[in-house]
Amino acid sequence: QKEVEQNSGPLSVPEGAIASLNCTYSDRGSQSFFWYRQYSGKSPELIMFIYSNGDKEDGRFTAQLNKASQYVSLLIRDSQPSDSATYLCAVNPPTGGFKTIFGAGTRLFVKA
Amino acid sequence: EAEVAQSPRYKITEKSQAVAFWCDPISGHATLYWYRQILGQGPELLVQFQDESVVDDSQLPKDRFSAERLKGVDSTLKIQPAELGDSAMYLCASSPGLAGSSTDTQYFGPGTRLTVL
Repeated sequence: QKEVEQNSGPLSVPEGAIASLNCTYSDRGSQSFFWYRQYSGKSPELIMFIYSNGDKEDGRFTAQLNKASQYVSLLIRDSQPSDSATYLCAVNPPTGGFKTIFGAGTRLFVKA
Repeated sequence: EAEVAQSPRYKITEKSQAVAFWCDPISGHATLYWYRQILGQGPELLVQFQDESVVDDSQLPKDRFSAERLKGVDSTLKIQPAELGDSAMYLCASSPGLAGSSTDTQYFGPGTRLTVL
């Protein structure tokens, strides 16, 4: 089992819709969770981080964390074509000294 | 806005040659990371520094890769000799937190795209 798993996609949504991206992790002791956006050929850009169970909202983005089920998700409301990118989930498990582990990413396409 | 600087942005080399990448983190960030990202995969940590000290290099292929951060500011990653399988994006990131912090927030530079022929 991979430490951080994401559906590779592509996930295709129409403009204006809600895009839902999911991530599961294996280390139950993980405490910090991050979402990065990566455009093709570019470096990852931090979107949000979340430490506590529940929802955290920032503009059109909402991160949701459920530690009991070991998943974290990212919702993008009112999706725009400019949101088309790969979204990387990252986790800091305590095993290995909180070294950040990245998932392989989910490709999102927003159709105009 | 402060950014992580990396150079070169692109590097093409032949196998068995030596290559070097440079990174200048955001001012004041004590922790510096080098990652390798193969197309279609997430970044994989190669080495992590806290100031000038290596905190984690467990995934660094030490027979050919070396990294240093002599004055605790900028850093160099070297590959000698380069192999075909080293073709990837090499990313540098920095963090204001301490190495090993569970709330580490990393900021990435633009990366160096390495192609080994």
